[in-house]
Amino acid sequence: ETGVTQSPTHLIKTRGQQVTLRCSSQSGHNTVSWYQQALGQGPQFIFQYYREEENGRGNFPPRFSGLQFPNYSSELNVNALELDDSALYLCASSLTRGAGASEQFFGPGTRLTVL
Amino acid sequence: KQEVTQIPAALSVPEGENLVLNCSFTDSAIYNLQWFRQDPGKGLTSLLLIQSSQREQTSGRLNASLDKSSGRSTLYIAASQPGDSATYLCAVTGAGNMLTFGGGTRLMVKP
Repeated sequence: ETGVTQSPTHLIKTRGQQVTLRCSSQSGHNTVSWYQQALGQGPQFIFQYYREEENGRGNFPPRFSGLQFPNYSSELNVNALELDDSALYLCASSLTRGAGASEQFFGPGTRLTVL
Repeated sequence: KQEVTQIPAALSVPEGENLVLNCSFTDSAIYNLQWFRQDPGKGLTSLLLIQSSQREQTSGRLNASLDKSSGRSTLYIAASQPGDSATYLCAVTGAGNMLTFGGGTRLMVKP
């Protein structure tokens, strides 16, 4: 069973640029969630995708957007990067089977630095 | 809005001590509670998951309890080892299968 993978591991961008982060779900999972973790803080929920549709969103501006593909892999896109976007971005996958919650499994994260 | 608080923020103990990490949450309408471990600059490793209908879960030297009505959970680590040094995060799953995390407890176990 393959776990959750993310790419790239590290990324350095400058203010105003755009970035795309990628996540491959654990085999058999149909739901992907993205979290932002600033240094020294707990992760904050960005959004979740279920069967290629956005299925919930946290308190993040529209310049944070995402996609989920038919194979359930996912992308997080951030436009017009700001210094405060510097963080560890975590992807988590899970298997949703109707109502209720399922355990989420996390990838190793992508460390984004905005200069 | 769900809020999760972890106390203490940091903890330093000598090797061999038993210790307790605390987590509290404001909204008891949760599906489950998870404890995670995070090493510096790394992703999250799930340690224990307690469903809302359960009171506790055990794995090796770790024991987590859940009191949903009072909005509290504790993670008990027995006979701590230097390899236990990490940040421990507690998170609750609410509506929309969304995890709300606490700020974490940074644990240092000294040899």
